[in-house]
Parts: sequence; structure tokens; C-alpha cells
Amino acid sequence: AQSVTQLGSHVSVSEGALVLLRCNYSSSVPPYLFWYVQYPNQGLQLLLKYTSAATLVKGINGFEAEFKKSETSFHLTKPSAHMSDAAEYFCAVSGFGNEKLTFGTGTRLTIIP
Amino acid sequence: DAEITQSPRHKITETGRQVTLACHQTWNHNNMFWYRQDLGHGLRLIHYSYGVHDTNKGEVSDGYSVSRSNTEDLPLTLESAASSQTSVYFCASSGGTGSSYEQYFGPGTRLTVT
Repeated sequence: AQSVTQLGSHVSVSEGALVLLRCNYSSSVPPYLFWYVQYPNQGLQLLLKYTSAATLVKGINGFEAEFKKSETSFHLTKPSAHMSDAAEYFCAVSGFGNEKLTFGTGTRLTIIP
Repeated sequence: DAEITQSPRHKITETGRQVTLACHQTWNHNNMFWYRQDLGHGLRLIHYSYGVHDTNKGEVSDGYSVSRSNTEDLPLTLESAASSQTSVYFCASSGGTGSSYEQYFGPGTRLTVT
């Protein structure tokens, strides 16, 4: 069984500030972890993924995430927020041998000018 | 470029009508998925398929059906539309074994049941 918890349904940060979106997972098998971004009226776009290689994963648009097994976490960060980062972000988990993704409920990121 | 398309993008229908949402992918992926997205629930899996003639129920499959007659298409049918099925529907596909399971999403279909 797999599950994902995203802490904070809404996060606001000032332009230029650090972005931190939290994701904790539960998985009975070694997990594959994903962050997706959804802009208004669009589908989901893959930001980055962890598939048991390097624990620090770099993605598109300057985002990165660190897999911490001891904390069962996969938090998403970006050093300096840009107005174009305003969107909804989803964390998702699958497990080796199980190709279904289980999604969190999403975090809406607002950037304050 | 490979892509995944959905049609229609917007649909308004009446309670009790049968509705079919189309999903077409040119990735040549084995796996296809249908989700619904509702506020506060994230994405919930409706049905999925791991290949031609294979279909499986997801966590919210009641009132929905799918069939897979070829690699490219997985249409989603609402047998008798209900107001509770008003939602945004997303189709996704993935490459299967060796692909690390990342899914590629279509643009979505916004369905309103009146």
C-alpha cells in the first residue's frame, strides 16, 4: 500500500524567497517518487522524479527535491521564487513492481510580488 | 512530437445520459490511466490499462467503464451521468517496465452534469 501526505494545501511566499513544499510518503516497497506541477487549466507536467539513484534530484525550472528515507520525506525546494512558479504542485508515489501512482491532495503555491 | 490528447475539452451533459470521453496517445505506451480531479481530493484513479484488452478498476470506478482495443486509445464511458460526476478528467500514459513509471498527462476534459 502507498500513500502521500502533502502538508499545507496553500503556501504563499514572496518573490525571491525560498520555496519549500512538503511531502511525506508511505510505501511497503522501495518507492519511486514524483513531483508534478499543474498550471491553470492545464494537465500535469513532471517536475522531477526519484527512482533510487541519487537522493538529491534536480528538476526543471530550478526545483529540486531530496529523498530522505529515515524521514519518509521528499520535500520540494527552490532557492528563489519567481512569479511564474505560481501553480498547484502534486507529490506522487509508486513502488517497484506497481506502476500506479498515488497522488497527494496538492499544494497551491502563491507568489507575493 | 509524441503527445496525449483528450476530447472534448469541455462537455455539458444532462443527468442520466451516456457520455464518452476520448483519450489518444502517440507515445506507444503500454499503460494508460484515467483520473478525476476534485478540489480537496487531488487526483483519484478511475480505471487503468496495462495493454490491449486489459482493464482494471481504480479507487473510484463506480459508474465508469473503459475498453482498450488498441495501444493508442482508452475511452472513458459514463454509463448514466450523475451530478456527482461533475469533475475534471485527466488521461495519462506511461511506458511500463524500465521507464521508472513516470506518467504523461493530457490537457483534461471538464465535464459538467446538470
